[in-house]
Amino acid sequence: GQQVMQIPQYQHVQEGEDFTTYCNSSTTLSNIQWYKQRPGGHPVFLIQLVKSGEVKKQKRLTFQFGEAKKNSSLHITATQTTDVGTYFCANAAGNKLTFGGGTRVLVKP
Amino acid sequence: SQTIHQWPATLVQPVGSPLSLECTVEGTSNPNLYWYRQAAGRGLQLLFYSVGIGQISSEVPQNLSASRPQDRQFILSSKKLLLSDSGFYLCAWSLGLAVDTQYFGPGTRLTVL
Repeated sequence: GQQVMQIPQYQHVQEGEDFTTYCNSSTTLSNIQWYKQRPGGHPVFLIQLVKSGEVKKQKRLTFQFGEAKKNSSLHITATQTTDVGTYFCANAAGNKLTFGGGTRVLVKP
Repeated sequence: SQTIHQWPATLVQPVGSPLSLECTVEGTSNPNLYWYRQAAGRGLQLLFYSVGIGQISSEVPQNLSASRPQDRQFILSSKKLLLSDSGFYLCAWSLGLAVDTQYFGPGTRLTVL
């Protein structure tokens, strides 16, 4: 898969506020997947995006694939303590997933 | 439904000792299988993957090896552990599609002392 970079590495969020994490590539991606890993747990698949400009929502989570298919974002509204964890984007190609470094989200109550 | 098992859940081993971690998948046939390592607070490093019995691809040269003796069994081994082998080891499976989702096991937390 293509190398993907995630920013920010850490995100401290006040409970109730919104935040966005970004995934960027220097090359065009055929797809982007997002995973969430709770502290002490294992990564769990959230969503997959394949179309240019695609937007998908899961309750308070909004996932977007850029028009040029070189970037993706995850926006969380009204952050809750259950949103704590590390969010990874990944690109699937050639039987493998190439993961970004992750955004570690900490929520302040 | 498909399930993936890993054991042991935690392991503390001395430097220089051997290692064997096991992963099994239920409810699917001929899955792709993967071993990842995650250092504390870090990202996922792909170590090995397998598309079939006896077929192993190594991503990172190191003192670890992998084997797939059965369709739904994936084993990670080492003859002599190093301190740097400490970490969270995750097994995952996928269907082997062109654009594939991976499903992770609960992981093994290895501490080498």
